[in-house]
Order: sequence, then C-alpha cells, then structure tokens
Amino acid sequence: AQSVTQLGSHVSVSEGALVLLRCNYSSSVPPYLFWYVQYPNQGLQLLLKYTSAATLVKGINGFEAEFKKSETSFHLTKPSAHMSDAAEYFCAVSDGYNFNKFYFGSGTKLNVKP
Amino acid sequence: DGGITQSPKYLFRKEGQNVTLSCEQNLNHDAMYWYRQDPGQGLRLIYYSQIVNDFQKGDIAEGYSVSREKKESFPLTVTSAQKNPTAFYLCASSNRQGGDIQYFGAGTRLSVL
Repeated sequence: AQSVTQLGSHVSVSEGALVLLRCNYSSSVPPYLFWYVQYPNQGLQLLLKYTSAATLVKGINGFEAEFKKSETSFHLTKPSAHMSDAAEYFCAVSDGYNFNKFYFGSGTKLNVKP
Repeated sequence: DGGITQSPKYLFRKEGQNVTLSCEQNLNHDAMYWYRQDPGQGLRLIYYSQIVNDFQKGDIAEGYSVSREKKESFPLTVTSAQKNPTAFYLCASSNRQGGDIQYFGAGTRLSVL
C-alpha cells in the first residue's frame, strides 16, 4: 500500500510570502499524485494533479507542484500567499495496482498573516 | 448543477443506534467513496464502489456498511458496532478511468449523544 507523509501539520506565512507545503510518498512510484484544498466544514477541491506528462504541474489559484522521483516528493508551492489561501491542504496518491483507490496525507493547515 | 449532495449536514447518534448517511451524485460517475476525517489524521477510506452492486472495504470498514443499488447513490450506515463514530464523513465520486480526480460532497458531521 502507498503511504503519504505531509511534514508540518501547521504552516504560517505572511501575506505575500512564499508558500511551501511538503509531501512525500512511499518509494514505489505512484501513477497519480494530487493536491486538494479544504476550507472549514467543506469538502475537498482539487488544486492540481500529476500524471507523468510533466514534472512541474500548474494548478488553480497560482499553485504549482513539482514531482521529484529521486526524493519521492511532490511539494506544493505558491510564490505569493494571499489571505484567501488560508485552508487545509491534502496530498493524495493513487494505489499502484488499483488506480481507483487513493491514500491521503494527514493534511497541513496554512495560516496567512496580514 | 452537477455535483455531490450529502445529507444531513449534522447528525446525532444515540448509543446502540444505527444511522445512515446519504450520498447522491449526478455526475454520471461510476466510482464512489466514503472517507472518515478526524483532526490530524487526514482522510481514511471506509468503503468504495467502482460499479453498481459492487463495493470493497477500505482501511477502516469495521462498524460500517454500504450499498450500491443505483449508480447515483452510495449510502453509508454507521452501525452500533462502531464504538467511536464521532467524525466528519466525506463522500466522493470519480470516473472509473484510473487516477481520475475525485469530486467531494460538503460532508456530514456525526456526533454521539
């Protein structure tokens, strides 16, 4: 089974600063990787998806993520944080054998300070 | 509007009671999922279904049951055997194409009286 590790359950940045949220997956290369965002008391929304077409994936709201096989990482970045980015972010990977089964990280809550 | 509807938004369970959470989708998706979300633990898969009349256990299926009689509907029953049911429950759906993105409902928050 896959496993997903998100380092840092809480990250705090100032408005306008770089956002970096970390995600590492288990060693076998997963076919698909995702980042989702969750606002309080809501479901999850897709930010971006990696499908092996390109290692740098651009998503919505200025977010992007880079797939690094050698580091088994898929970190999420945004050059300049906005107050509206405050939310919880989840990294997810598909199972290596059953592509319709997914594993989620424990989440990182992003706080944006004015 | 296409999407996933979960109801109720809030649900309270008494000791020894079974409760059912509703999940309906009009996205014409074949696959549907139930996740449990606890603070600091992310989403854990309870059950998933890739086609009507078929479903598989996820990582924490004990104390839960599901049915998939219609493509649009995937209800989850939290049985009395689930001793710690207080959590936020999320339903999702996706196409059967491998690795397709999941669309999530707004969730049901279950508490024990």
